[in-house]
Amino acid sequence: AQSVTQLDSQVPVFEEAPVELRCNYSSSVSVYLFWYVQYPNQGLQLLLKYLSGSTLVKSINGFEAEFNKSQTSFHLRKPSVHISDTAEYFCAVSFRNKLVFGAGTILRVKS
Amino acid sequence: GAVVSQHPSRVICKSGTSVKIECRSLDFQATTMFWYRQFPKQSLMLMATSNEGSKATYEQGVEKDKFLINHASLTLSTLTVTSAHPEDSSFYICSASPDWGQGYEQYFGPGTRLTVT
Repeated sequence: AQSVTQLDSQVPVFEEAPVELRCNYSSSVSVYLFWYVQYPNQGLQLLLKYLSGSTLVKSINGFEAEFNKSQTSFHLRKPSVHISDTAEYFCAVSFRNKLVFGAGTILRVKS
Repeated sequence: GAVVSQHPSRVICKSGTSVKIECRSLDFQATTMFWYRQFPKQSLMLMATSNEGSKATYEQGVEKDKFLINHASLTLSTLTVTSAHPEDSSFYICSASPDWGQGYEQYFGPGTRLTVT
C-alpha cells in the first residue's frame, strides 16, 4: 500500500526566509508525486507535480520540489517566502489514479 | 481552464434530514469524479470514486447507503448525505479527472462545509 508522511505539522518562518516542507512516501511501485496548497475554507490547488524526467520540478510562484528515489522523498522548498504563502500544504502520491495524501503541513509566514 | 465548482459552499441542516451536494466540472468533461472528506486539521480522506453512468466505488469503512453518490453526466456528480447526524459534520471536497488527461490529474472543487445540528 502507498503512504505519505509529512513530518512537520506546522512550520513557522519569517518573511523572506527560506523554507523546506518535508515529504516522504512509501510505495513498492512507481508513483506520481504532487504538492497541493489549501487556503482556509477552500479546496486544493495543484502546486507542482513529478511524473517522470527531471527530478527537480518548479511552480510559477517560486516553489520547487525534488524527487529523490533513493530516499523516497519529495521535499518542497522556496528560497524566500511571502506572507501570502501562508497556507496548508499537502503532499500526495497517485497510484491507480487515486490520490493518497499526507497529513498536511501548515506554513505560517510571519512578518 | 479545468474549473470545478461545488454547491452549496456551506449548509446547515437538522439531524435526521438529508442534504445534497453538487460537484460540477465547468469547462471539461470528467470521466471520473472523487469525493473526499476532511476533518478539522486533518488530511483528505477519499470516500468514493464515481464514473459516469456506473455505480460508485466506496472506500473501506464508508457507508454507501448513507453517502449516496450519483454521477449522472460527464460534468455532474452529487453526494447526498442521508439521515445526517452531527458526526457527519465535515468539509466535503470533490475532484474531477478530465477525459483528456492520463488519469492521474484531479482538479478540486472549493469544498462544502456541512454542519448538522
